[in-house]
Amino acid sequence: GAVVSQHPSWVICKSGTSVKIECRSLDFQATTMFWYRQFPKQSLMLMATSNEGSKATYEQGVEKDKFLINHASLTLSTLTVTSAHPEDSSFYICSAREATPQETQYFGPGTRLLVL
Amino acid sequence: GQNIDQPTEMTATEGAIVQINCTYQTSGFNGLFWYQQHAGEAPTFLSYNVLDGLEEKGRFSSFLSRSKGYSYLLLKELQMKDSASYLCAVSDSNYQLIWGAGTKLIIKP
Repeated sequence: GAVVSQHPSWVICKSGTSVKIECRSLDFQATTMFWYRQFPKQSLMLMATSNEGSKATYEQGVEKDKFLINHASLTLSTLTVTSAHPEDSSFYICSAREATPQETQYFGPGTRLLVL
Repeated sequence: GQNIDQPTEMTATEGAIVQINCTYQTSGFNGLFWYQQHAGEAPTFLSYNVLDGLEEKGRFSSFLSRSKGYSYLLLKELQMKDSASYLCAVSDSNYQLIWGAGTKLIIKP
């Protein structure tokens, strides 16, 4: 099956620093990748849709200048949390959409971010 | 608006069968997905239905009725490891996934 990796799996950082999270589709090309955030015991929340070679589309309420997304290739998308604050602490999960009629989204294992 | 409804929580006994229902109202329809999410982990893909009927995959089966805007996930021979949240998601006319809030399934011995 399709495999998506995410790195790092855990990040602890100081308030005010920036954190970059990488998402890679390992065995398929993904023209579209998605970034989600999930707080404890809550539903997945879509943050943005990332298309290779173009600007990301952000969901309402998500600051594009704070959450920078780059989708430089068909297998790599990055999310940078700029000037992180404790309220940004969350579980960040990426997914990559397979370019088949089914267009299944396969998820990376997620990145836990803790901002002190 | 677009809406996905599924029960918040269900409890079942090890070895039994459980059916998790999902109803939806979306702008267009390009398929319905079921995902499993264990606590503290990312979702994993379980099934995809785009035509009416039952799709069977081992102990798990998924059913779709497009005319009723209804799907269910059927889990047989329940095991303790099946304790997880089960997410229903519908692909709309723009191939965007609309997510349900998830059903937390608790398996008791």
